[in-house]
Amino acid sequence: DIQMTQSPSSLSASVGDRVTITCRASQSISGYLNWYQQKPGKAPNLLIFAASSLQNGVPSRFSGSGSGTDFTLTISSLHPEDFATYYCQQSYTTLYTFGQGTKLEIK
Amino acid sequence: EVQVVESGGGLVKPGGSVRLSCAASGFTFSSYSMNWVRQAPGKGLEWVSCIGGRSNYIYYADSVKGRFTVSRDNAKNSLYLQMNSLRPDDTAVYYCARDRSEADASGNYVNHFDSWGQGTLVTVSS
Repeated sequence: DIQMTQSPSSLSASVGDRVTITCRASQSISGYLNWYQQKPGKAPNLLIFAASSLQNGVPSRFSGSGSGTDFTLTISSLHPEDFATYYCQQSYTTLYTFGQGTKLEIK
Repeated sequence: EVQVVESGGGLVKPGGSVRLSCAASGFTFSSYSMNWVRQAPGKGLEWVSCIGGRSNYIYYADSVKGRFTVSRDNAKNSLYLQMNSLRPDDTAVYYCARDRSEADASGNYVNHFDSWGQGTLVTVSS
């Protein structure tokens, strides 16, 4: 199975900050990488698919990049509603796997 | 509006069984693969199973293979997860999620989970 590793596991930041979360795959997955946001007690919500394609309705302050094994999710200027946990997911194989999550907290 | 709603969770004894259901609406159910994803309390997301739109393929995570069975009834717009030989570490919120295949800028079709239910909690405990 393909292992997905996110860093950091947790991150403290302030409203207005620029934040980057990294996701690394255990083997090349080309651009088959998705990002989700999850708030406490809620289902995950798709932010970005195919490494850099913004899902409809997601604010443009979210962006994704990368290919192969290394990927990043960037939030250009944090809003209060962005404090949540973020997960990457590979869909290179149908044995889908998620990263362990990055919890973004208010500093 | 696309909607998926899970049901069937509850308290189950170790070694017991439970069947989860997911009712879909707002889209042509048979045209989409569907997935089960679980999340243990305080933990991350774990993909569990995927079934093709016509049940033409089925995949399981190693952690549930041989114990869980996914199925669907397209006439009823419903997805199911039969969970047998349950263990305490199966305790989790179980989500169903629609699997959409969409082209990226290069024309490669990439699968992603674009609609999720609210989840149903399964607790395995004596």
